[in-house]
Amino acid sequence: KAGVTQTPRYLIKTRGQQVTLSCSPISGHRSVSWYQQTPGQGLQFLFEYFSETQRNKGNFPGRFSGRQFSNSRSEMNVSTLELGDSALYLCASSPPNLMADTQYFGPGTRLTVL
Amino acid sequence: AQSVAQPEDQVNVAEGNPLTVKCTYSVSGNPYLFWYVQYPNRGLQFLLKYITGDNLVKGSYGFEAEFNKSQTSFHLKKPSALVSDSALYFCAVSENYGGATNKLIFGTGTLLAVQP
Repeated sequence: KAGVTQTPRYLIKTRGQQVTLSCSPISGHRSVSWYQQTPGQGLQFLFEYFSETQRNKGNFPGRFSGRQFSNSRSEMNVSTLELGDSALYLCASSPPNLMADTQYFGPGTRLTVL
Repeated sequence: AQSVAQPEDQVNVAEGNPLTVKCTYSVSGNPYLFWYVQYPNRGLQFLLKYITGDNLVKGSYGFEAEFNKSQTSFHLKKPSALVSDSALYFCAVSENYGGATNKLIFGTGTLLAVQP
């Protein structure tokens, strides 16, 4: 099976712009979660989507949003970019089980905000 | 609130020696615990998880972890370290109540350096 794929792998944006990141989960996986990784804050949960519905959300401002499509692919959007949004954004997918699903991570999108 | 602590920023070990990467947790209810590894410029790779059952969990690449409920610990171990094991290791706990979510709470990570 193909793993989780994320596009693009690298992005450079300027402050005030917006950006959209894409994630394709492993085939058959219906849950997609997003995480932000920075040297200062470590790995932080952004949100999770399951069957096109946001199931949980972390403590991030409303500039961070996401959605999931009927084929389980997910996108996250960050509007009005700030310098502090520079980070590695990781997407993870999980199989459709009920308890403590293992999350499989993609390679990430490295976002640099100038 | 659930949390995970990795008390060591870095662990140094010689190749061939046993290694231990420490993790303690704080949860309400039964913990679902995970270990992931991250190589430079890569995503996270799943190593192993504890849900229930045997306290010693075996995972990928010869790694294992021991769940200790009384000490609220879930240390990662390997009997003989390889230089290729050098990477950043994350312990995580799942904030998962009956399938309601798959949110993972991560520790700060421990950099493992294996010297040849």
